[in-house]
Amino acid sequence: DIQMTQSPHSLSASLGETVSIECLASAGISNYLAWYQQKPGKSPQLLIYYANRLQDGVPSRFSGSGSGTQYSLKINNMQPEDEGVYYCQQGYTYPLTFGSGTKLEIK
Amino acid sequence: EIQLVESGGGLVQPGRSLKLSCSASGFTFSNYYMAWVRQAPKKGLEWVATISTSGTTTYYPDSVRGRFSISRDNEKSSLYLQMNSLKSEDTATYFCARRVRDSYAHFGYWGQGTLVTVSS
Repeated sequence: DIQMTQSPHSLSASLGETVSIECLASAGISNYLAWYQQKPGKSPQLLIYYANRLQDGVPSRFSGSGSGTQYSLKINNMQPEDEGVYYCQQGYTYPLTFGSGTKLEIK
Repeated sequence: EIQLVESGGGLVQPGRSLKLSCSASGFTFSNYYMAWVRQAPKKGLEWVATISTSGTTTYYPDSVRGRFSISRDNEKSSLYLQMNSLKSEDTATYFCARRVRDSYAHFGYWGQGTLVTVSS
C-alpha cells in the first residue's frame, strides 16, 4: 500500500499570508494526487486533482504542485474561510489512500 | 446540479448487517465510477470501496474486503454498500462519492454522509 505522509500536522496563519502544506508518498504516484478541504460537520471538498488541476469553482489562490513522491498545496492570501482540515489523497493505485490531515487555523 | 444523497445509517450491534444507499442526480450516473469513503469520529478519511461503471469490477481495502460489498443500479441511479459482520471499528460517517473525471480516481463530488454506529 502507498502511505501518504502530510506535514505539518497543524498550522496557523495570518490573513493575507501564504501557506504551504506538504504530502509525501511512499512510492511514486505519477501526479495522481488530490487535495481536499473539510470544514467541521461538512463533507470534504475537492480543491486540486492530478497534482495541479483546479477543481471547478475553487478560488485561484489555491494551487498544487509536485511530482514523483513529493507534492504540495499552496494557499495564497489566506482568507477566513480557508480554515479547516486539508487532506491529500493518491489515486494512482488501489487501495486509494489519504494523508492524515493538516489543520489550518487563522492566527 | 450534481447531488448525492446517502441513507440507511443507524445504530447496529456488532456482528450484524446494514445496507447503505446513495441516490444520485444531476449527471449520467452510468458514466462514472462511484465510491464509498468513511470517516470515524474525529478521525481522517478512509476509502472503503469503488465500483466500475458497469458494476462488474469492484475494489476494497483489506480492512473491509470479504465483509463489505459495493453495488449499483444504473437504472435507478443508485449506489449501495452492503456491510456484514460489522465491528465497532466500522463506526463512522459514510460518504458516497463520484470521481471528478472518469479517468481520475479523485473524488469531485460528495454526499452529506450517513452515520453508522456499531455498538451493543
